[in-house]
Amino acid sequence: GESVGLHLPTLSVQEGDNSIINCAYSNSASDYFIWYKQESGKGPQFIIDIRSNMDKRQGQRVTVLLNKTVKHLSLQIAATQPGDSAVYFCAERGNSGYSTLTFGKGTMLLVSP
Amino acid sequence: EAEVAQSPRYKITEKSQAVAFWCDPISGHATLYWYRQILGQGPELLVQFQDESVVDDSQLPKDRFSAERLKGVDSTLKIQPAELGDSAMYLCASSLETGGQYFGPGTRLTVT
Repeated sequence: GESVGLHLPTLSVQEGDNSIINCAYSNSASDYFIWYKQESGKGPQFIIDIRSNMDKRQGQRVTVLLNKTVKHLSLQIAATQPGDSAVYFCAERGNSGYSTLTFGKGTMLLVSP
Repeated sequence: EAEVAQSPRYKITEKSQAVAFWCDPISGHATLYWYRQILGQGPELLVQFQDESVVDDSQLPKDRFSAERLKGVDSTLKIQPAELGDSAMYLCASSLETGGQYFGPGTRLTVT
């Protein structure tokens, strides 16, 4: 289930389950979104991106869904593996000039064997 | 696979000392970013370069932080003098003008 830890919301799942990580973004003008995976002591790793003219995009074992009406982004991981354990961040980018990425708070995913 | 390189990976320094971090972006990436990440939080942008020009340094504490990218390729971020509150992970990322940002492994700074 999902719970709020001391620092990060945490999602605990069993190996083989499907995981869904949610993100509420803030800027209705954002036109580009990215999901990153960050393992302890490492830099964020690009997982998948989606532009605002799409509502779904699939990668290998991952799917990103975008609902612009409610400014909601989700990352679905199929057949979750222990190696998927990490902190996941969503990031949004505005649509003007050299717009920068704004990162969400992050969700820790814990996968039990 | 091309990666963003950063050095050093770890740095311990005493407060009031100077410290510098280096970043080499993915070849061909014109845009380079420096971020600071506090444990448990998302990265926060410090400065963004387009080629050798700064396009956003609104969140850079300019009294003690400086960044340069003289030839539009690699970049250096400097802190002088370091303060205890500067302890964090310093991340470099690069991107093509459109598309996602790719991060390096980061430099973990501890100020004592």
